[in-house]
Amino acid sequence: SQTIHQWPATLVQPVGSPLSLECTVEGTSNPNLYWYRQAAGRGLQLLFYSVGIGQISSEVPQNLSASRPQDRQFILSSKKLLLSDSGFYLCAWGFSGGREQYFGPGTRLTVT
Amino acid sequence: TQLLEQSPQFLSIQEGENLTVYCNSSSVFSSLQWYRQEPGEGPVLLVTVVTGGEVKKLKRLTFQFGDARKDSSLHITAAQPGDTGLYLCAGARGTYKYIFGTGTRLKVLA
Repeated sequence: SQTIHQWPATLVQPVGSPLSLECTVEGTSNPNLYWYRQAAGRGLQLLFYSVGIGQISSEVPQNLSASRPQDRQFILSSKKLLLSDSGFYLCAWGFSGGREQYFGPGTRLTVT
Repeated sequence: TQLLEQSPQFLSIQEGENLTVYCNSSSVFSSLQWYRQEPGEGPVLLVTVVTGGEVKKLKRLTFQFGDARKDSSLHITAAQPGDTGLYLCAGARGTYKYIFGTGTRLKVLA
């Protein structure tokens, strides 16, 4: 079976500091990978998706970037965090060519 | 731009009541998914509907995809406290891009 991990679970960072959130998937190969951000109690906003190593598509111009250095690893980064970057960050995976997405447990980021 | 509107935004009902949540858009989607999310956790997939007019049932939950594939509904029969959560619809635009709805927060009182 497949498993998705995200870390850290919670993060408090000052404005202007860098960010690195990591997501890994086990039990599958060549998954589609996604990063979403969720405002409190609301819907999800797609940030990035990747269909293969080194292939990243950005949906929203912003202060964030994503990388996929390995087949089952997806990283969300920022060089300098803004207050508006606070939120609940969710990583998801899906089978290549499949419709469904399966979400990780999320990272709660608070920028102070 | 939010392309998927869900209604109602909040719903508080008594155990045993029935309810319907709506997911509406002016855009056509190749498929549509429903998720339930608990506080502090990632969304959990409930169902995927693909064909216009398709109806799927998951125990007491009935999902319907509109004929034109622009809207969907979720009906819960005899709601239970365990149904409490945030319900999200998500429409697929093409193969990889998913647009999420605004969410419906359901609370079922015992």
